[in-house]
Amino acid sequence: DAKTTQPPSMDCAEGRAANLPCNHSTISGNEYVYWYRQIHSQGPQYIIHGLKNNETNEMASLIITEDRKSSTLILPHATLRDTAVYYCIVKANFGNEKLTFGTGTRLTIIP
Amino acid sequence: DAGVTQSPTHLIKTRGQQVTLRCSPKSGHDTVSWYQQALGQGPQFIFQYYEEEERQRGNFPDRFSGHQFPNYSSELNVNALLLGDSALYLCASSLVGQGRTGELFFGEGSRLTVL
Repeated sequence: DAKTTQPPSMDCAEGRAANLPCNHSTISGNEYVYWYRQIHSQGPQYIIHGLKNNETNEMASLIITEDRKSSTLILPHATLRDTAVYYCIVKANFGNEKLTFGTGTRLTIIP
Repeated sequence: DAGVTQSPTHLIKTRGQQVTLRCSPKSGHDTVSWYQQALGQGPQFIFQYYEEEERQRGNFPDRFSGHQFPNYSSELNVNALLLGDSALYLCASSLVGQGRTGELFFGEGSRLTVL
């Protein structure tokens, strides 16, 4: 699975959009981009995933660049409950289900 | 619909002892994976069980072993505990063949402290 690079920490004001970047320049054509988050003392929670098209669900939007070498997770209206560590993971959507976590981005929502 | 449940939530052991952690997958799921998360780090894959067999294994020594039962629940066993085994142990479940193999459901974890 390709390696990802994320900033170690970010702050965002409550009510504003939180934009979390991820670089995955070595991504292969069959690899998807997955985002998980981990709120303190809880297990990771799946947020969203995508291959090359932008994706949106009830939690967030995922924007993947045309060359697929980077992506941005967008939380449109951040709340204090969105304070967590966010992990960007790249993996193929078949075969093994192993997720390779990095150290993620610690997002702090400021009141 | 019950999610992934793990037990115990916290436990303390001493070096050299053995520990067993338990996991019940989300209803309808047939695959269980185990992860170790040290303080300040992301979770690291230990192994995965499907159809009662270890299907994939991460870079962990043989002191780490597991089992999956016919009802899909699973156990993680760690023998000869070391101080470095202190961590949060996470169980994740999924359904083979659902076509979204990266979408795992995690439990709250078992926090192991080795003294």
